[in-house]
Formats: sequence, structure tokens, C-alpha cells
Amino acid sequence: GGIITQTPKFLIGQEGQKLTLKCQQNFNHDTMYWYRQDSGKGLRLIYYSITENDLQKGDLSEGYDASREKKSSFSLTVTSAQKNEMAVFLCASSIEDSPLYFGAGTRLSVL
Amino acid sequence: GDSVTQTEGLVTLTEGLPVMLNCTYQSTYSPFLFWYVQHLNEAPKLLLKSFTDNKRPEHQGFHATLHKSSSSFHLQKSSAQLSDSALYYCALSLGGNTGKLIFGLGTTLQVQP
Repeated sequence: GGIITQTPKFLIGQEGQKLTLKCQQNFNHDTMYWYRQDSGKGLRLIYYSITENDLQKGDLSEGYDASREKKSSFSLTVTSAQKNEMAVFLCASSIEDSPLYFGAGTRLSVL
Repeated sequence: GDSVTQTEGLVTLTEGLPVMLNCTYQSTYSPFLFWYVQHLNEAPKLLLKSFTDNKRPEHQGFHATLHKSSSSFHLQKSSAQLSDSALYYCALSLGGNTGKLIFGLGTTLQVQP
């Protein structure tokens, strides 16, 4: 079986800081995703990528950039962290009609 | 547009009682429906996926039936266990090769002894 690894697990930033979250998968899946998880708001799609160097915006892309450097990795950048922001960022991958496989998440806190 | 509604934010019940978590959807196409489960500090994992041939998917004692007439895919289990305590998401996929899902807000299930 495969695994999705997200780094770091915990990220503490300062207001206005640019922060980068990384995701690696060894499923050899084509498509990768970044979701944001907030309590009571479900999972909201930020960006996804259907192949290397492809980027597609989700519903929550404002304030974020993403990069698909190679098939196995997908990074997300918070362009300017908002004060008191707290959220979990989940990376996922899939291929064709397979279900999404998720990583364990990166927990962000902004001071 | 396409959407998923989970009406309960929190469901609390006693071990051994039946479970039903509600999920309804709106879609202009014939979507696939999913249930994902997320235990505390873990990644969400697929629990169930709807079939195209109206079979009822089952896993770990949970089952769900896709009712196109009422646009529903409620999650059920006959007898709750303490280990079922988790966050449950209903989601829909419009198909295609992206696998992009639209998630509901989630329902937290708390099972008490």
C-alpha cells in the first residue's frame, strides 16, 4: 500500500508570513489535492492538480499558491498568514475513479 | 449548483443503539456518493461508496443506500460501538478523471457507554 506524507505536522507562523506546506505520495496517483478543514465548515478545496505542472483552483484558492513540482509531490503556500488563523490542511491523491486517499494533515496556528 | 447537506453537526447516542447519519445532495448529474470517516488526529478514510447498480455498500457494519428519488445517502448501523466515535463526512463526485469531491459540513458521532 501507499502513503501520503505531509510536512510539517504542526506549523506556527507569524501574521503576514509566507508559509509552505509539503505533501508527498507514493501511490503513483495522477491527481493531488489540498483541502482546508475548519471545525463546522467541512472540507473545502483550495487547489488540485491532475498531472505534473498542472494547477487548478478550488473554491478557496484566494490567499494561497500551489506547486506540483513532480508527480509525487504537491506543495501549498499561504501567501500571507492571517492573525489568529487556525486550521488543518489536508493533502489527498487519487487516480481515475479511485477514492481520495488523505494525509494526516498539517495543523496551522498563526500568532 | 452541486452541494451536500448534513443536517446534524453532533449526534450523541448510547452504545448498542442504532446509528443513522443524514446526507442529502443536490446535483444536476448522477453523482457518486461517499462516506468518509475521520477518527481523532487521523486522516479521513473512505468508509463507503455508492454503486451504479443500486447495490447497497457495506463496511465495518455500516451501510448506506442511494435513493435518487429523495437525493439521499444516509449512513446506518444497527448497533453503535464506542470505537465508532468519529467525524463523518458525506461527499459527492460528479465523475470524470479528477476525482474532485464536494464535502458536507460533517457530523460528529459520539458514542457513550
